[in-house]
Amino acid sequence: DAGITQSPRHKVTETGTPVTLRCHQTENHRYMYWYRQDPGHGLRLIHYSYGVKDTDKGEVSDGYSVSRSKTEDFLLTLESATSSQTSVYFCAIKGTEDTQYFGPGTRLTVL
Amino acid sequence: QQQVKQSPQSLIVQKGGISIINCAYENTAFDYFPWYQQFPGKGPALLIAIRPDVSEKKEGRFTISFNKSAKQFSLHIMDSQPGDSATYFCAASLQSNDYKLSFGAGTTVTVRA
Repeated sequence: DAGITQSPRHKVTETGTPVTLRCHQTENHRYMYWYRQDPGHGLRLIHYSYGVKDTDKGEVSDGYSVSRSKTEDFLLTLESATSSQTSVYFCAIKGTEDTQYFGPGTRLTVL
Repeated sequence: QQQVKQSPQSLIVQKGGISIINCAYENTAFDYFPWYQQFPGKGPALLIAIRPDVSEKKEGRFTISFNKSAKQFSLHIMDSQPGDSATYFCAASLQSNDYKLSFGAGTTVTVRA
């Protein structure tokens, strides 16, 4: 699992509340990514980071923000959760070659 | 728009049979094409990957065939086993674009014993 942990693993929240998901890696990788997985869409990139304090938007970034103050941690924040953000969220790191390795995921339900 | 299109959405194969999943891509600049395997409740795991200068790559029972002129690539699972029952995703990325992956929608493979 390339030393990637995600927390929490499951979360239920209400519409309008802020939510922060955490991705932690132990191997000092430069690149980190947040994806969401929804049926029929595969995985879609939300935001990514190419270094401490260096982040950029992905394909579906609206309603999400990220921060990376340390190499090992990459946080994804839903500023005001909506039901359309109910999904499974995966963090990934870029390892050797061009390969990305994924964490175990966080299942988020917004009621 | 979806940069990688994957088919079929699902398939059922008998034990010992061959599973074939196809993907087509739009961006001719893509330079890395991985396949991921995902079991329920788990994150995607890299299965096998290929670069566009190679037409075929084999690892055990899994083979990628790559057709650069047609902008297509496929995964063949030989001698399919019940343990291969999973969802498979093709993807593509570009080193100069920060290695960001574009995924196909996924194929659920069921291997019947």
